[in-house]
Parts: sequence; C-alpha cells; structure tokens
Amino acid sequence: DAGVTQSPTHLIKTRGQQVTLRCSPKSGHDTVSWYQQALGQGPQFIFQYYEEEERQRGNFPDRFSGHQFPNYSSELNVNALLLGDSALYLCASSLGIGLGTGELFFGEGSRLTVL
Amino acid sequence: LAKTTQPISMDSYEGQEVNITCSHNNIATNDYITWYQQFPSQGPRFIIQGYKTKVTNEVASLFIPADRKSSTLSLPRVSLSDTAVYYCLVVLSGTYKYIFGTGTRLKVLA
Repeated sequence: DAGVTQSPTHLIKTRGQQVTLRCSPKSGHDTVSWYQQALGQGPQFIFQYYEEEERQRGNFPDRFSGHQFPNYSSELNVNALLLGDSALYLCASSLGIGLGTGELFFGEGSRLTVL
Repeated sequence: LAKTTQPISMDSYEGQEVNITCSHNNIATNDYITWYQQFPSQGPRFIIQGYKTKVTNEVASLFIPADRKSSTLSLPRVSLSDTAVYYCLVVLSGTYKYIFGTGTRLKVLA
C-alpha cells in the first residue's frame, strides 16, 4: 500500500519563476492538504482540497494556488517566486474532510530553493 | 484563531519517561489535539490524537485536562531513536484548518 508520494524531491528556481509541486495521496484517501515548512519552523497550513475544490485556506497570498484531480492527486502552484518561498513543502492526505480529525499522513516533502 | 506553544527543546536519557506539554489557550470546544513526530528531511508522522481526558496507544499517552487549554504527550522509556521534533496540532472544528505548534526538539542521550 503506497503512502503519500511527492515530486519532485528537490528543485531550484530563481526569483519570479513559477513552480508546480505534485502529490499522490495514500490509497483510499480523498482529502489533500499542503504545508510550508521553513527551516527550523513548524509546518504552516496553506490549503486543503476535497472533492476537487479548495475547502480551507491558511494565511498565504494568491500566488499560492492548487488543484485536485478526480483521482484525488493534487498540485501546488506558486507564482512569482520570492526568496522567502524557499522551504520544504509537505503534502498530507486524510480520509473524509467531514471527520475533522488531525490524523494526517505526510509525504517526504519537496525541498524548494529560490535563488 | 487557536495558537499553540511548546517548549523549544528538551533533553532526556534512555529509558526515562518524557512529557512534552503544548499550550492552546483558546482552543474551541470541538477541536481535536494531535501529536506528530518529525525526523530531519522527513514528513511528520502521526503519534496520537485526543479530544479530552486520556488516550493511550502502543507508543504514547496523551493527557488533556478538563479545561483543554493544554495537552501533554507522554513517551514511556524513550530510546535514542526517539530523538526528533515533536509537534502538537490543533484542528479547528468547523473550519478544519490545521494549526501546528512551534515544535519541541527532543534529544535522547545514552
């Protein structure tokens, strides 16, 4: 049973560029959430997708956008990259948004470096 | 919005019990409290979750007092492999936003 998989694992971009990160949820899970984790900090909630719609959003600008596909996989897009966007981006999957529990299954993350 | 705070770091010796407390002063009535373990360059891993009183599983216990303004993760008989960062997570019921704590860096010494 495959867990949460993310790609790419590492990438380097320059300021102003755009990036797309991908996530496949754990088998059987239908909800995906994304987090930004700066070095030495805790994960910060970006947004959550369920039934192909963004359901909740944290305090992140519109430069951060996402998508969920019919197979429950998800993408995180960041436009007009800033140096401060350098971080580990984590994807987590869970079952059923209506449950409201915190049992999340995380991927290993995508390490983004913005130069 | 709920805010969670934790001690920055803790040291312990192998075989000891470790208790890590998270403060969440303005937690809402229906918020769940969850704890995660994270090793360097890995995603967080679920440890335990509770709503009130005490919950125990094969690896940890979670104590939540009646006022629910804090919670304590208890790790019995830690080993070197328990060296990691531990986060509490509050899930805001109704909005289902996930608020992670500041994290506690636990170092287990031989």
